[in-house]
Amino acid sequence: EAQVTQNPRYLITVTGKKLTVTCSQNMNHEYMSWYRQDPGLGLRQIYYSMNVEVTDKGDVPEGYKVSRKEKRNFPLILESPSPNQTSLYFCASSLYPEGAGNSYEQYFGPGTRLTVT
Amino acid sequence: SQKIEQNSEALNIQEGKTATLTCNYTNYSPAYLQWYRQDPGRGPVFLLLIRENEKEKRKERLKVTFDTTLKQSLFHITASQPADSATYLCALAPAGGTSYGKLTFGQGTILTVHP
Repeated sequence: EAQVTQNPRYLITVTGKKLTVTCSQNMNHEYMSWYRQDPGLGLRQIYYSMNVEVTDKGDVPEGYKVSRKEKRNFPLILESPSPNQTSLYFCASSLYPEGAGNSYEQYFGPGTRLTVT
Repeated sequence: SQKIEQNSEALNIQEGKTATLTCNYTNYSPAYLQWYRQDPGRGPVFLLLIRENEKEKRKERLKVTFDTTLKQSLFHITASQPADSATYLCALAPAGGTSYGKLTFGQGTILTVHP
């Protein structure tokens, strides 16, 4: 089954304790992206990657790191989490580069609910 | 600064009617615009894409229009059903190079279709 998986699905942690949220896709997609979703603020892009070893900042990259060493994986790293990073996080992937019929459809994972106390 | 607004936070309609959702943007030159559906506790699901040089796209009961002069997209669901109740998100990607990947979402409109 074609899918994007995220782990963990739920995480409660304390301020300053480094954590990694993993994201993996089995569709051989070049593009992957991380978003956070907060009430009233909608879905905001953190980082994205157009291909292996290529990453770019989204709208809210502060406090986050990413790496793209393999095509299928795109982990999100919080080196020193703070309470304002409490949020619902989504990973997504898409087929690139552009093709005549490409819809740039993003496939989203199930989400990771992170609480930082 | 770039801004994307979905006019209504919530929209309530009767079953069978057409739902029309609005996405407006400012200070933005989009290469394309997408619409997604999101159910509570789940990730968004892609519905339609419309490019900057297209006026209208259709898919079954869904229709999207794109007016780059008005800087607006309209999303229509005809013959709406209670199962269409969800949050609908618009998303824009800027024109030019690798910026295709930098997607900005609106805050969403919660649609409720009453039986």
